[in-house]
Amino acid sequence: GESVGLHLPTLSVQEGDNSIINCAYSNSASDYFIWYKQESGKGPQFIIDIRSNMDKRQGQRVTVLLNKTVKHLSLQIAATQPGDSAVYFCAENSGGSEKLVFGKGTKLTVNP
Amino acid sequence: GAGVSQSPSNKVTEKGKDVELRCDPISGHTALYWYRQSLGQGLEFLIYFQGNSAPDKSGLPSDRFSAERTGGSVSTLTIQRTQQEDSAVYLCASNLRGFGEQFFGPGTRLTVL
Repeated sequence: GESVGLHLPTLSVQEGDNSIINCAYSNSASDYFIWYKQESGKGPQFIIDIRSNMDKRQGQRVTVLLNKTVKHLSLQIAATQPGDSAVYFCAENSGGSEKLVFGKGTKLTVNP
Repeated sequence: GAGVSQSPSNKVTEKGKDVELRCDPISGHTALYWYRQSLGQGLEFLIYFQGNSAPDKSGLPSDRFSAERTGGSVSTLTIQRTQQEDSAVYLCASNLRGFGEQFFGPGTRLTVL
């Protein structure tokens, strides 16, 4: 069945380093993927998305990579800042479905 | 512009009581979603409204849970005879057309004693 999971539940990095958060998905029919950031006590906030016809998409300090062959998604954050500390979720939306399936999340901690 | 709002922000209730959680989506968004997030967990889909279509209730965990959306805008999630395992943050989201980025509210933290 559908599932979206993450390889690591926690990630700790030094300020200024690059961060990579990974996500595996199992539904080969998934055609849209999205990363959310959730700070403590707040709802998830959109970071970046990517459709299955792309391998890479860049935003401000963030890059999402999609490897459909191994059903793997990653979020790269450049020059990580303390304000990036949060839980990051990936989610998928398979063709024809209006629902997003979320992974459990990775907690990113940025040490000053 | 105004985002998705939810009320109350926190709700403490006693086991067995009924609770109502409210969501005001972004104006003009036809799709509205409810999720549940237990401590340290991901988001669990509960129910989805799209326009005038029948809601997708496939994620509701039991018949104690129900939701309605009046006038295609405000939605209320009702939990009857609350149990301790209902304690969680309930998140509401909305978007246009029911596809793509969902805009989330701040959530309602429900604590059942």
